[in-house]
This record gives sequence, structure tokens and C-alpha cells, in this order.
Amino acid sequence: GAGVSQTPSNKVTEKGKYVELRCDPISGHTALYWYRQSLGQGPEFLIYFQGTGAADDSGLPNDRFFAVRPEGSVSTLKIQRTERGDSAVYLCASSLTSYSGELFFGEGSRLTVL
Amino acid sequence: DQQVKQNSPSLSVQEGRISILNCDYTNSMFDYFLWYKKYPAEGPTFLISISSIKDKNEDGRFTVFLNKSAKHLSLHIVPSQPGDSAVYFCAAKGSSNTGKLIFGQGTTLQVKP
Repeated sequence: GAGVSQTPSNKVTEKGKYVELRCDPISGHTALYWYRQSLGQGPEFLIYFQGTGAADDSGLPNDRFFAVRPEGSVSTLKIQRTERGDSAVYLCASSLTSYSGELFFGEGSRLTVL
Repeated sequence: DQQVKQNSPSLSVQEGRISILNCDYTNSMFDYFLWYKKYPAEGPTFLISISSIKDKNEDGRFTVFLNKSAKHLSLHIVPSQPGDSAVYFCAAKGSSNTGKLIFGQGTTLQVKP
């Protein structure tokens, strides 16, 4: 399809394990974002890429979280030593420009840490 | 520190009537405001936006009003339809060119046939 694609759609892991979540943005969109949504809350900003570089990573909660976008297209969010509090839906979004705030979101990856 | 607040977790209206969803913000540096709509098991989708230099923006059945002095915006849906039933998120953006959005907690709208 032509939308933002995220895999896996669901991930269940044990506390302490390492997790990778993948995002394939809309073709041609240079801006890519990761957000996290906990139950009953709105999406919370994690990181923004413009091309290959992380232009704003101020939302990453701690150094267990890391994201890459090596070729300016697909991005991977990496979480080390997962904790139960990391359980949430991780949303990826992309946009043509970063100015308008009109983002195209994927369906999200639901992470459950047991 | 919740910079964008939607104080009503839910709203129920009859089909054909007006739905009014409210949002308050605290940061006067926000210069762009957006509403997103979310259905279950889907990502949020952009609905309508407004720049801080305007006080109203209309798109079909959807109108967003901005009151800067009160730091308040609202989304009006007229007439409401059952397909409008979803979670609505208000979001705000600062003047930096990062596209970083601050979202409210969301309001669940139910439109009854």
C-alpha cells in the first residue's frame, strides 16, 4: 500500500529483552517521526528524522531507546533492556515537510513487556 | 506538565446535531494547531488545522475556532454522523521547523443514530 507501514503490529517480550520496531514511510517523505501512545493518553513525541539524521531526539525517555534511519527511508526504533513501563503502542509517522504538522501515521506497533 | 489538555474524556451526541470538542493549551509559543481523528486499531489521521494568526478555519462539516487570549480551541462538527464516532486528538506545534507535535489526551466522540 501507499501508507506508512509498521512491523510488527504486535510484539510481546519479557522484561530485560531487546526489541526492534520497524517503520517504512510513504515514499518521498523526508521527515519521519516516532511517537509513543500509552493507554488513555495522546501520542507522545520521541524522535524526528529529517533525511538520515535525527534532528530532534528530545523525546527519547532514556538511553535504552535509540532510533536509526541509515538510508533516509526505513527507520528502526530500538529498545534495550525493556521494562514493563515501555508497554505502549509505538506510532511512526512521515510527512513531506516538517513545517505544517500534517503527519501520516502508521497503524502502530503494540509492545507488551511481561 | 500537560501543555495541551482535553478535559472531556468523552462526548455523546445525536446524529444530525452539533458536536463540540474542546482543547486548552498553556504555551503561548505554539503557532499551529491541529485536530487528528483516530479509529480503533488505526493510526491517527489528520483532520483540520489552524494557524495562530487566524481565529477560524472551515472544511466542510468541520470548523476549528481558536481563541488565543483564552488559549482555547474547539472543533465543531455539523451535522454529526455515526461515522464520526472516534477519538479526537488536539495537537499543537511550536515555531521550530521540526514538526514536533504536542498532543492532548483525546476525547472519545460517540454519535448515536
